[in-house]
Amino acid sequence: QKEVEQNSGPLSVPEGAIASLNCTYSDRGSQSFFWYRQYSGKSPELIMSIYSNGDKEDGRFTAQLNKASQYVSLLIRDSQPSDSATYLCAVMGTGGFKTIFGAGTRLFVKA
Amino acid sequence: DGGITQSPKYLFRKEGQNVTLSCEQNLNHDAMYWYRQDPGQGLRLIYYSQIVNDFQKGDIAEGYSVSREKKESFPLTVTSAQKNPTAFYLCASSFVFQGNFNYEQYFGPGTRLTVT
Repeated sequence: QKEVEQNSGPLSVPEGAIASLNCTYSDRGSQSFFWYRQYSGKSPELIMSIYSNGDKEDGRFTAQLNKASQYVSLLIRDSQPSDSATYLCAVMGTGGFKTIFGAGTRLFVKA
Repeated sequence: DGGITQSPKYLFRKEGQNVTLSCEQNLNHDAMYWYRQDPGQGLRLIYYSQIVNDFQKGDIAEGYSVSREKKESFPLTVTSAQKNPTAFYLCASSFVFQGNFNYEQYFGPGTRLTVT
């Protein structure tokens, strides 16, 4: 069974700090990686996608991918209370459609 | 505005009744998906469809059925055979996977189904 693992948290950081969210996956052939943000009671919202090893930056968000270690992370700089949410890591493996979602990490940013 | 709509937002049913959840998209996406989310768990794939008149079972298809008669629409029926139907149901869509490049999935607002 292909898996995506995340620490459930909660991860608590002070306002203005860097929040670091981590994810590991089991399918070594995975090609595509996504981070979604989900506020309580709402649907997931795509915030980052990454396909190649290295870093990808978008505003305050940086996604990092290391395929050799089967590890993907999301850094949130200058964290704000509005960033408090559950962050879902999603991985698309080889051969097509199925995207596997992790259970998510709850982030709490303290004002 | 382009997007994905799901209706209703909340749905209450008695045990033993079938219920159909609506999902419509105007993003011109080829593929559509249904997921189920239970508290504290990740999203689990119920069904997906890459093209009109074709769909495939996901990981937890038992007790569910779908149709894809139009590109824009992918309704999900929760049948009385589904043992634990109470959950948050999410519809998503994307362009079709091509080679090594995957198009991102975008989600509708969800339908919260409660069966008593």
